[in-house]
Amino acid sequence: GAVVSQHPSRVICKSGTSVKIECRSLDFQATTMFWYRQFPKKSLMLMATSNEGSKATYEQGVEKDKFLINHASLTLSTLTVTSAHPEDSSFYICSARVEGDTQYFGPGTRLTVL
Amino acid sequence: EDQVTQSPEALRLQEGESSSLNCSYTVSGLRGLFWYRQDPGKGPEFLFTLYSAGEEKEKERLKATLTKKESFLHITAPKPEDSATYLCAVQGPSNTGKLIFGQGTTLQVKP
Repeated sequence: GAVVSQHPSRVICKSGTSVKIECRSLDFQATTMFWYRQFPKKSLMLMATSNEGSKATYEQGVEKDKFLINHASLTLSTLTVTSAHPEDSSFYICSARVEGDTQYFGPGTRLTVL
Repeated sequence: EDQVTQSPEALRLQEGESSSLNCSYTVSGLRGLFWYRQDPGKGPEFLFTLYSAGEEKEKERLKATLTKKESFLHITAPKPEDSATYLCAVQGPSNTGKLIFGQGTTLQVKP
């Protein structure tokens, strides 16, 4: 199957700083990638859809100025959490869509904001 | 409103004890139904995609089936390494690729 990587896998930062998370499709090109957030013992919550070469589409209630998404190439999407606060601490997961609509997920990034 | 409901929420099995997980869905025009496995602290791992009622797919001890209202994930003679949370998701008729996830079933298989 298709492989998606995320970097970093774990990050701890101080409140007020910005954190960038990278999502890469390693063996295929993805015109569409997705960013999810997952709370403990909960299912995945879609934050935004990232399309290569165009602006991301954010879900209702997600602050686009706080969660900046850039899909710079067919294999890379980045999520930047700006001015992070403790309530932004969470598990962030990206996915990439392939032909047939299947999404392959990255391993996730655990963000802890102190 | 499009909706996905998984049951049971949690399931404990003895090794070798076969069972089924249920995923009921309400969506106007199903493009696809997806099953994933998620281990603690990791991203979901793709298992199956089903596109139309009557379709079945198998992989090792897992078999997924689809009807017009629900999908089942059958686990035959499970082993402890099958312990995980199993997520079901559907995609509606739009081409956005957006998935609607159920809450998952956490499976524990005891040796």
